[in-house]
Amino acid sequence: QKEVEQDPGPLSVPEGAIVSLNCTYSNSAFQYFMWYRQYSRKGPELLMYTYSSGNKEDGRFTAQVDKSSKYISLFIRDSQPSDSATYLCAMSRSYGGATNKLIFGTGTLLAVQP
Amino acid sequence: KAGVTQTPRYLIKTRGQQVTLSCSPISGHRSVSWYQQTPGQGLQFLFEYFSETQRNKGNFPGRFSGRQFSNSRSEMNVSTLELGDSALYLCASSLAYVGSLNEKLFFGSGTQLSVL
Repeated sequence: QKEVEQDPGPLSVPEGAIVSLNCTYSNSAFQYFMWYRQYSRKGPELLMYTYSSGNKEDGRFTAQVDKSSKYISLFIRDSQPSDSATYLCAMSRSYGGATNKLIFGTGTLLAVQP
Repeated sequence: KAGVTQTPRYLIKTRGQQVTLSCSPISGHRSVSWYQQTPGQGLQFLFEYFSETQRNKGNFPGRFSGRQFSNSRSEMNVSTLELGDSALYLCASSLAYVGSLNEKLFFGSGTQLSVL
């Protein structure tokens, strides 16, 4: 079983829809949670960064972390065709040290239809 | 501020050859990490360098190696290429080493390697 599970999609929605992207994880030591957006033929771009549980909002994007359920979400309001990309979740443990590293989900491909 | 720069952008090699990929981190960033991205496996961690020292290594064979220079630039080398090495190789830089508590990774656009 992978440490981080993410539905690969593809997810197709009409323009203006609310999009919900999710990841589940198994390691309760994860405390830092990130969402990256990756356009075709480009590297991942950091979108949201949260620590521990709770919500964080940035414009049309809201990141939500539920540590009790080991479940994180990214919501996109008023989705636009320019949001069409692969969304990757990533997480790392709460303590430092040489063995700590980011663990990525496999990504969800999102297509927003005009 | 310039982002992470990776060269070359595309590379075609044949089995058995070796390849060297280059990464220039964001100015001031001292940590460079390398990832392999494939459609089936997603992003897999290769290794991380900080101040010219390898701090962490993923589960890849010894054919994959890297190094970091005093100016934080990094190179990755793959020897005796196999067909399965075809992938997008991504470099990411951060201010602090990934093991610290507040690291944020910034990625380059990657080098697309095709092994024929």
